[in-house]
Amino acid sequence: NAGVTQTPKFRVLKTGQSMTLLCAQDMNHEYMYWYRQDPGMGLRLIHYSVGEGTTAKGEVPDGYNVSRLKKQNFLLGLESAAPSQTSVYFCASSYMSEWTEAFFGQGTRLTVV
Amino acid sequence: KNQVEQSPQSLIILEGKNCTLQCNYTVSPFSNLRWYKQDTGRGPVSLTIMTFSENTKSNGRYTATLDADTKQSSLHITASQLSDSASYICVVSAAGNNAGNMLTFGGGTRLMVKP
Repeated sequence: NAGVTQTPKFRVLKTGQSMTLLCAQDMNHEYMYWYRQDPGMGLRLIHYSVGEGTTAKGEVPDGYNVSRLKKQNFLLGLESAAPSQTSVYFCASSYMSEWTEAFFGQGTRLTVV
Repeated sequence: KNQVEQSPQSLIILEGKNCTLQCNYTVSPFSNLRWYKQDTGRGPVSLTIMTFSENTKSNGRYTATLDADTKQSSLHITASQLSDSASYICVVSAAGNNAGNMLTFGGGTRLMVKP
């Protein structure tokens, strides 16, 4: 069982560079999320999607864009990376219910220098 | 604004000892509370999920309690093992199936178990 898979696992960017983080899930989940995790803080929601072709902003969306062209994939883009975007990024997916468990990927550690 | 506070931020215990982690929340309307374990370099993995009517739920050596009146939860770890070294995250789910604000995460307690 692959579950939720994120690529890449590590990345170092220079300020101003762009990149895309890929999240893939094989559980046929409707909901997908992108979070960032910073030291001492809880996971914060960047963007989320409630189904193929739909996306919405979360708590900290500035500087990020997302796309969900296929149900199983959720892409997070950084158009012009900034040092403040240095963080660990987690993708998660779940069924469309407050009762169901959210499954997380293994994370992507991004450093912007 | 929905909030989840955890204490302590970090904890060191000796192998074989017990410990209790705390979680206080202000999430409305409340649906359920979850505890996740996050190993270093990995994503969070669910340990327990409790609804409004449940006071206690166990998963092996992990026992979670919930007091919905005081909006407090605890996670008790019995006979700790080295593999329990991880961050433990309290997550509260809001009712209403609004994916945008469904989950509120605490900052986590980092537990280190020493031999």
